[in-house]
Formats: sequence, C-alpha cells, structure tokens
Amino acid sequence: EAQVTQNPRYLITVTGKKLTVTCSQNMNHEYMSWYRQDPGLGLRQIYYSMNVEVTDKGDVPEGYKVSRKEKRNFPLILESPSPNQTSLYFCASSRLAGQEETQYFGPGTRLLVL
Amino acid sequence: GQQLNQSPQSMFIQEGEDVSMNCTSSSIFNTWLWYKQDPGEGPVLLIALYKAGELTSNGRLTAQFGITRKDSFLNISASIPSDVGIYFCAGSSGGSNYKLTFGKGTLLTVNP
Repeated sequence: EAQVTQNPRYLITVTGKKLTVTCSQNMNHEYMSWYRQDPGLGLRQIYYSMNVEVTDKGDVPEGYKVSRKEKRNFPLILESPSPNQTSLYFCASSRLAGQEETQYFGPGTRLLVL
Repeated sequence: GQQLNQSPQSMFIQEGEDVSMNCTSSSIFNTWLWYKQDPGEGPVLLIALYKAGELTSNGRLTAQFGITRKDSFLNISASIPSDVGIYFCAGSSGGSNYKLTFGKGTLLTVNP
C-alpha cells in the first residue's frame, strides 16, 4: 500500500530537548516536504526536498533542520524546541510538486512543547 | 513571502446545496491545488490546475484557474454530509521553485 508514515504520532517534550520526527514514504518519490498546521493559519511549509541531498527552506524554517540522505526518508529535527513549535506537523511526498502527480500526506504528528 | 487569501473561513449549509469558495493571491502562481482535510487526517488532493483559464471537474467538484493566475475557485454541487471538512487551496510557482503556499482553509459544515 502506497503511504507516508510519520513517527511518533504524538509527542510531549520540554523546551530545549532535541527531538526528531521521522517521515518515510514507500513510493520512490523525489519530492518530500514538511508542513506545520496551526489554528487560523492553515498549513505552512517548513522545508522541502527535491531529491537526495537537495533541501530548501519553505516559509517558516526557523528552528528546524532536515536531512535527505536517502530517497525514502526525510526527518524533521528540532535542535532546541520551544513552546511556539507546539503544532501539528505533516510530511508529504510526490513524484514532483507542480506536475500532474498527487501529493500524499502523512497522518500527522501532534507535538506539545512545554 | 507569498500569501493566499481564502474565503469564506467557514460555511454552514444544508445538504443538497451548492458551495463555492475561492482563493486570491498577491502574486502569480503556475499551479493551483485544492485539498480536503478530514478530522485527524492529512490533506488529500482533490483537484490540480496547471493552466490559466483551466476548468477541471472531479465528480461534484469543479475548480478553475483564474486568467490572471492570481485566483482560483472551487465549487461543490449538491453537497452531502461527507463533504464536511476543511478545504485548502494551495499555489506553487513551479519551475525551479516547488514551494507550496496554502490558504488558511474553509471549514465546511453540511447539515443533513
């Protein structure tokens, strides 16, 4: 089954404690992306990746890092989480954004930073 | 950065009614996308538009890519209860820039 998986689905942490949210897709997609969703703000793109070792900033990259060492994985790293990073995070992938390909979204990771 | 204005923010309608929502942008997009998000799930792509003036249908859904490249609308005809959810528009400049900018969403409630 074609899917995007994220782990963990729920996470409660404290300010300053490094964390990683994993994202994996089994569709051999080149394009992967991370979004955060906040009430009243919709979805905002954090980082995206066109292919292995190719990443670029989205609209709200501050406080986040990503890496793309393998095609299937695109982890999101919060080196020093802060309460304003409490949010619902989605990973997505597609063959190529902007082309006639569906973007598949993961189930989401709900993060609470105390 | 680029911004999308999506309206209305929310809609309460009766089953069977038609629905229309739209997005406008301060800058030009080469791609417009419409997504639906059900509670507790990630967004699902409904319709993708790639040419100015393009009108595309997907069942009861119809979307258009505005001629100016700065707007798009989504219509849902004969709404049913399972249409409930949040609808998002998204735009992309395409080319070498695959950043997607999303609207803030339209919350649709359908009363049976």
